[in-house]
Amino acid sequence: EVQLVQSGVEVKKPGESLRISCRASGYTFISHWIAWVRQMPGKGLEWMGIIYPGDSDTQYSPSFEGQVTFSADKSINTVYLQWSSLKASDTAMYYCARQGSSSGGDWFDPWGQGTLVTVSS
Amino acid sequence: DIVMTQSPDSVAVSLGERATINCKSNQSVLYSPNNKNYLAWYQQKPGQPPKLLIYWASTRESGVPDRFSGSGSGTDFTLTISRLQAEDVAVYYCQQYYNTLPTFGPGTKVDIK
Repeated sequence: EVQLVQSGVEVKKPGESLRISCRASGYTFISHWIAWVRQMPGKGLEWMGIIYPGDSDTQYSPSFEGQVTFSADKSINTVYLQWSSLKASDTAMYYCARQGSSSGGDWFDPWGQGTLVTVSS
Repeated sequence: DIVMTQSPDSVAVSLGERATINCKSNQSVLYSPNNKNYLAWYQQKPGQPPKLLIYWASTRESGVPDRFSGSGSGTDFTLTISRLQAEDVAVYYCQQYYNTLPTFGPGTKVDIK
């Protein structure tokens, strides 16, 4: 079974750094893009960007470029989303999702269960 | 960016009745060389991540009940739930993957009347 399992709830203060994770199983990890998607409280879905674990190639949405960093560790089938200095406006649920298909369509399937990040002083 | 809009914002339908959700893009997501519409639909139940329902605008994902169907082409698309069940209460999102910056619609909430 293809599965993405994310790290747990985080509560941080403004200015702190954070790295959350997404561990993949059930498929060839290095051969598929993984996306990060933000969902702010009560809001819709925003694509943040993608990482290709095979070579750590990344593409960021202009809205998130410079605000976050994606990375991957092939040895443990895990990708990461990182902030160097959190803001209250980073409070959201963050999902990882496998992006792409063998037929060339860039839909998202499956999704991780989400990591809730709360940033508050 | 391709902007996706959905209507209505929310809809309440009686059990067993039809629910219809509309999605519109501000430019065509039909790729002429392969005649495919680069559009997907997702279901997000409360407290859960989104779940892929439909891709290529009308292809049902494996395991998705056949009461869910997608239609449309170009800039106008529809998700239909033919006989609403209690477990279909959720927010439904459309998503275009025509260009390299995927974008989602704002979502439509489906409730029981």
